[in-house]
Amino acid sequence: GAVVSQHPSRVICKSGTSVKIECRSLDFQATTMFWYRQFPKKSLMLMATSNEGSKATYEQGVEKDKFLINHASLTLSTLTVTSAHPEDSSFYICSARPAGVSYNEQFFGPGTRLTVL
Amino acid sequence: AQSVTQLGSHVSVSEGALVLLRCNYSSSVPPYLFWYVQYPNQGLQLLLKYTSAATLVKGINGFEAEFKKSETSFHLTKPSAHMSDAAEYFCAVSDQVNTGFQKLVFGTGTRLLVSP
Repeated sequence: GAVVSQHPSRVICKSGTSVKIECRSLDFQATTMFWYRQFPKKSLMLMATSNEGSKATYEQGVEKDKFLINHASLTLSTLTVTSAHPEDSSFYICSARPAGVSYNEQFFGPGTRLTVL
Repeated sequence: AQSVTQLGSHVSVSEGALVLLRCNYSSSVPPYLFWYVQYPNQGLQLLLKYTSAATLVKGINGFEAEFKKSETSFHLTKPSAHMSDAAEYFCAVSDQVNTGFQKLVFGTGTRLLVSP
């Protein structure tokens, strides 16, 4: 149980294009989903937190107009990198917290490797 | 604000040796503590968690960790390393306030290297 999927696993795009990454909780409902960015050999940096049906809360320094987050349902959140540039290349990981869990256990997706040419 | 310090970006052990990965936390409120493992190009997998029940927590793959409030530590151990344990390990802290926007704060990670 508690499986989180991400799609695509890898994406290569040209500079200036937009890329959408999907995060799904497959066997549970997630009231809260999180998006992280991980640079090579670095820790995870929280980008934003989203609750179903409300606007995402972005961490300081993360451009909300560049990284659009939509938490459309209790099992789906999407991250759209708009007008991507090479510096946006990174490993993006989502996580989901099951509804009703009080101790902030998050289940992580397998990650999406974005390469912007 | 909460924070996590993982001492040692790399830890090398021989197969069969004791594994000890250190984690110290800072939190003004009672914490929840987690250890995650990450294999190359994959997401994070939960090894174990401390949620204010038993201070000695047993996880998957033979790992365990002990919460020591006096030392603000949550070190991860395994009695005998296996080659398959080679991975990146992250310690994380969250507070026990049940808000809608709880965050996990991660340490910088420790890469475990296991030699034959």
